[in-house]
Amino acid sequence: HSALTQPASVSGSPGQSITISCTGTSSDIGHYNSVSWYQQHPGKAPKVIIFDVSNRPSGISDRFSGSKSGNTASLTISGLQTEDEADYYCSSYTATTTLVVFGGGTKLTVL
Amino acid sequence: QVQLQESGPGLVKPSETLSLTCSVSGGSISDNNWYWGWIRQPPGKGLEWIASISYSGITYYNPSLESRLTISLDTSKNQVSLTLRSVTAADAALYYCARDPNDIVVVVGDVFDIWGPGTMVTVSS
Repeated sequence: HSALTQPASVSGSPGQSITISCTGTSSDIGHYNSVSWYQQHPGKAPKVIIFDVSNRPSGISDRFSGSKSGNTASLTISGLQTEDEADYYCSSYTATTTLVVFGGGTKLTVL
Repeated sequence: QVQLQESGPGLVKPSETLSLTCSVSGGSISDNNWYWGWIRQPPGKGLEWIASISYSGITYYNPSLESRLTISLDTSKNQVSLTLRSVTAADAALYYCARDPNDIVVVVGDVFDIWGPGTMVTVSS
């Protein structure tokens, strides 16, 4: 049971856009802008693609964008490419004793 | 460019103590711009934050594991260490260390911007 809720899987065709949601509570996503998104390819370490809700690290494609509304954060990938096929995790700081929470992960399939 | 490399025993017996090390190159663990964290991932499952430590040695633990954990800095070796006592099969996972930029709003976990490749831990007698 993960503290943040993500869909288990999403899919899309090359060139399309998809959005992955990440739902938390008023103690984490709803209160703080410390939301990050990580991309993980099989056998690789996670890589940050979005931090502080909507900021992209240097070198990350602008096809990746993040947003937040209430207790839900979202990751949108536009112009899907085959190399985007991976697992995606959201995370957030939380005001509870747990401090840092992750979502359960979403497997993106590019058909 | 900062790089992280985890190391550990690979195999640990149930009830024993697991000791992991994260060697940091290209930067100092005492740099006040960074905190350092450990995150684990059981096979086929998601990520779980375990613990973090500040550049000055202030520690933060996941309360579900806190009673069994110790995180520490070895500034002479530029390493971050994690000790997990009384391991069980549930502790089998890929253990990552990661850099966490010092944030003015939240104490830890704003973002983990650099990760090591991870070290696999199997728990078996």
